[in-house]
Amino acid sequence: RKEVEQDPGPFNVPEGATVAFNCTYSNSASQSFFWYRQDCRKEPKLLMSVYSSGNEDGRFTAQLNRASQYISLLIRDSKLSDSATYLCVVRGGRNDMRFGAGTRLTVKP
Amino acid sequence: DGGITQSPKYLFRKEGQNVTLSCEQNLNHDAMYWYRQDPGQGLRLIYYSQIVNDFQKGDIAEGYSVSREKKESFPLTVTSAQKNPTAFYLCASIGGREKLFFGSGTQLSVL
Repeated sequence: RKEVEQDPGPFNVPEGATVAFNCTYSNSASQSFFWYRQDCRKEPKLLMSVYSSGNEDGRFTAQLNRASQYISLLIRDSKLSDSATYLCVVRGGRNDMRFGAGTRLTVKP
Repeated sequence: DGGITQSPKYLFRKEGQNVTLSCEQNLNHDAMYWYRQDPGQGLRLIYYSQIVNDFQKGDIAEGYSVSREKKESFPLTVTSAQKNPTAFYLCASIGGREKLFFGSGTQLSVL
């Protein structure tokens, strides 16, 4: 079983739609959680960290459920510029940073 | 400017050859990482190092080797034992607030 698993996608949504991505992790000792965004063949960029109480950054909301070992990312009012691959990242107890396989999002006019 | 430099940008390997990918950072970060990315897939952890002279295997270490003799440098060698080396390789280090800083990557192909 992979340590970090994501919805495979792809997600194709119209502009203005709300879309949610999910991610599960297998190591209960995992300490920190993140969402990264990757545009085609470029290095990933940090979108947001995920805190236990949930957190919001503009149109983006991240949530963490430690009991279920599950994190989510909600994007409201999707823009064309949101089209990218979204990667769930989990930091383990030994500072190992592991990525999910990514979920590809395409926002269409 | 501070950052991570990976070289070369493109690399070709012949059958049975070992090749080394360079990764240098001037961010004064302790922890560094190597990832492999295949088309349409996420990043898979090859090796990581928390401190000089220390490194741990990730999920796909077979056929790869690393060294961490200096804080700034974390080279990755793709050995002849790696039978399917064609991929995009990314080096990263971790800074404040656990943010990963990435190099621009090396595309390795087999001749």
